[in-house]
Amino acid sequence: EAGVTQFPSHSVIEKGQTVTLRCDPISGHDNLYWYRRVMGKEIKFLLHFVKESKQDESGMPNNRFLAERTGGTYSTLKVQPAELEDSGVYFCASSQVLRGKQYFGPGTRLTVT
Amino acid sequence: GQSLEQPSEVTAVEGAIVQINCTYQTSGFYGLSWYQQHDGGAPTFLSYNALDGLEETGRFSSFLSRSDSYGYLLLQELQMKDSASYFCAFDNQGGKLIFGQGTELSVKP
Repeated sequence: EAGVTQFPSHSVIEKGQTVTLRCDPISGHDNLYWYRRVMGKEIKFLLHFVKESKQDESGMPNNRFLAERTGGTYSTLKVQPAELEDSGVYFCASSQVLRGKQYFGPGTRLTVT
Repeated sequence: GQSLEQPSEVTAVEGAIVQINCTYQTSGFYGLSWYQQHDGGAPTFLSYNALDGLEETGRFSSFLSRSDSYGYLLLQELQMKDSASYFCAFDNQGGKLIFGQGTELSVKP
């Protein structure tokens, strides 16, 4: 089966610009998570979708971040306007069940200059 | 608060056994997971312990003691390809993972 895919793999933008990251989970996985790793720090939870509904968005840093999952398939994470501290690697993960294994994508490396 | 502690670095030789410890603090806990990450790529699931005791999967084993808020990952017959970052993580409500800072394992010949 195809794994979790993310696009783009890298993005370099200037402060104040907008970037949209995309995640395609494994087909049939209702649970979709976004995480972020800022250099040198731990992987941090951003939000969790169950199908198209936001189950938990307690990790979203601020209202410059907007996540959607239309139709319960792929998800997008938009950062607008981007700030320097938004630089990091954004991972998407999906799972069939709430507990146990999550399947991670390769990540999008975002650099804000 | 919620936190996990694990060593930042561990070094071992090929063929040896290494144990990576993880202690956690949280008000809600369902289980402890371990993930492997090579060169900043996709974290790959290794194991999940929801109950106390040892889970074995090939060369890798994971242990959990809920009463001690402690777990470990045991890697046996180390190979060069095991050099990577290893993360412990727990899930509380909703399934989201709370990660530790990661342990960088270096396997030497």
